[in-house]
Amino acid sequence: GAGVSQSPSNKVTEKGKDVELRCDPISGHTALYWYRQSLGQGLEFLIYFQGNSAPDKSGLPSDRFSAERTGGSVSTLTIQRTQQEDSAVYLCASSPGLAIDTQYFGPGTRLTVL
Amino acid sequence: TQLLKQSPQFLSIQEGENLTVYCNSSSVFSSLQWYRQEPGEGPVLLVTVVTGGEVKKLKRLTFQFGDARKDSSLHITAAQPGDTGLYLCAGARAGGTSYGKLTFGQGTILTVHP
Repeated sequence: GAGVSQSPSNKVTEKGKDVELRCDPISGHTALYWYRQSLGQGLEFLIYFQGNSAPDKSGLPSDRFSAERTGGSVSTLTIQRTQQEDSAVYLCASSPGLAIDTQYFGPGTRLTVL
Repeated sequence: TQLLKQSPQFLSIQEGENLTVYCNSSSVFSSLQWYRQEPGEGPVLLVTVVTGGEVKKLKRLTFQFGDARKDSSLHITAAQPGDTGLYLCAGARAGGTSYGKLTFGQGTILTVHP
């Protein structure tokens, strides 16, 4: 069966441009998570969705970051006016529900801001 | 604030040696997970421990959860080159808007030389 997919796999952009990162979770998974990972480091929680709602947005680094999820499936993470410090790998994960269900991760989108 | 501290950050050993990675926190977690991540891929769950004092074994890997549910360790016996990767611990808390949210350690990069 298909796992979590993310697109694009790599994105190079210029400082000040907006970018959209997409996540397709495993079919039927109600919970979806976004994380950010700097080179060789642990993951920084950004936001999670239960269905289409996002109860916890506390991890978003600034108001330039936003995310939405429609139809309880695909999610988009948008970064406006990108800065060099936004360069990182953005990982998406999904799980059947909340609690301690296993989170299945996608391969990530490597974002480079020049 | 580093809620989960992993040590060591880097580990380079010869094939056949044993090693232990530690994950420590001043906070209590309802569960703790260990992940392994290879370059260009998302983290893959190895194990989830939920009970204080719990020990789980997965072939040559042994995982322990501290009695107070604040720390954990991963022990690998007779390491092999295929064990090379980034090992991440992640803690989960139950309840409130943090439900399902994972807090990751900064990771341990393990290299096993043939």
